[in-house]
Amino acid sequence: EADIYQTPRYLVIGTGKKITLECSQTMGHDKMYWYQQDPGMELHLIHYSYGVNSTEKGDLSSESTVSRIRTEHFPLTLESARPSHTSQYLCASSESGPTITDTQYFGPGTRLTVL
Amino acid sequence: KNQVEQSPQSLIILEGKNCTLQCNYTVSPFSNLRWYKQDTGRGPVSLTIMTFSENTKSNGRYTATLDADTKQSSLHITASQLSDSASYICVVSDRGSTLGRLYFGRGTQLTVWP
Repeated sequence: EADIYQTPRYLVIGTGKKITLECSQTMGHDKMYWYQQDPGMELHLIHYSYGVNSTEKGDLSSESTVSRIRTEHFPLTLESARPSHTSQYLCASSESGPTITDTQYFGPGTRLTVL
Repeated sequence: KNQVEQSPQSLIILEGKNCTLQCNYTVSPFSNLRWYKQDTGRGPVSLTIMTFSENTKSNGRYTATLDADTKQSSLHITASQLSDSASYICVVSDRGSTLGRLYFGRGTQLTVWP
């Protein structure tokens, strides 16, 4: 099992609230990712980071924002949660170096429900 | 359009039986193909990874095959166990960017009954 952690595991919150999903890894990986996954659907990349102070938007447009102040920490923030944000959010990390066989290690996910 | 299609969408088998899951992709250029196992409520865990030159890769009771010419892959599970119940996701990586972009299938939901 990979050393990548997400908190909280489950979150139920009302519309309009600000939330931060935490992700941390102890493997020293430079690359980190956030994915969004709905039941029975594929993972969609919403944010990624090559390293400290580097963040990029992914393929799926998201109203969330991310920051990468420390190598091991990659939090995701929603300023004003809406029911459409209800989903599972998965954080992952991978080593630097050749990308041809980079394996991404995933955290357990945060199941977010916005009422 | 780069896509990854998996079949069947769901599968139920009895404990001890074998099964084969399919993955067809149109991703080009092609770098590598991975199979992940995702338990309910958990993040995916890598099972195998194959590059263009590899035809088969095994990991215990899991054996993946790759035909890069027909752009097809399969994951064969031998002597299934209850713990094999999970979603199996096929992921294809291209060489089109520094990131090595990943294309995810929707997964095959496997249920193993006692």
